[in-house]
Amino acid sequence: DGGITQSPKYLFRKEGQNVTLSCEQNLNHDAMYWYRQDPGQGLRLIYYSQIVNDFQKGDIAEGYSVSREKKESFPLTVTSAQKNPTAFYLCASSPPGRLNTEAFFGQGTRLTVV
Amino acid sequence: AQKVTQAQTEISVVEKEDVTLDCVYETRDTTYYLFWYKQPPSGELVFLIRRNSFDEQNEISGRYSWNFQKSTSSFNFTITASQVVDSAVYFCALSEATGNQFYFGTGTSLTVIP
Repeated sequence: DGGITQSPKYLFRKEGQNVTLSCEQNLNHDAMYWYRQDPGQGLRLIYYSQIVNDFQKGDIAEGYSVSREKKESFPLTVTSAQKNPTAFYLCASSPPGRLNTEAFFGQGTRLTVV
Repeated sequence: AQKVTQAQTEISVVEKEDVTLDCVYETRDTTYYLFWYKQPPSGELVFLIRRNSFDEQNEISGRYSWNFQKSTSSFNFTITASQVVDSAVYFCALSEATGNQFYFGTGTSLTVIP
């Protein structure tokens, strides 16, 4: 089945550690996005990529990094510079340059700092 | 500036009641797109509807209906005869033809009480 797969579903990180969240899609979409969700704040854009080997910062990129080496994959690294990383992270994709089409979402990764 | 405003943070209704979720948007583009998503407790965002700025026709899909009014920049969502399974967080979103991302509201948490 076509879709977006995020892993792991739950992730625990010690303070000072970097962690990487996986996002894979088999929808043949060029555009991919990472959102962070905190209670009462909706979805905030971290990074997005419109094409392989290119990505742009969103509204809250500080403390995060991404790569886009393959069309299917858009991993997000939460670095130790991110001071408050505990949140729910959602990955999404959409067809290229066509924001008239809805974005498709993965099931999310819940990151907790312990 | 907030491009999408969902003023209702939480709503509780008794089963079988009708409920309307409000969404107000802001854009200078003449071509834009509006979306509603449902986020059940599992976390994944489920696409419900898409509307483009040139189509103000209201839409009905089963118990769901949407009222798009450009004059008031609103795209409200009504659930008729609510059911417990409708309990979720609902997000309204906007994309612009000249833009490259989706803008989400802060969401409305709906609880349907049996």
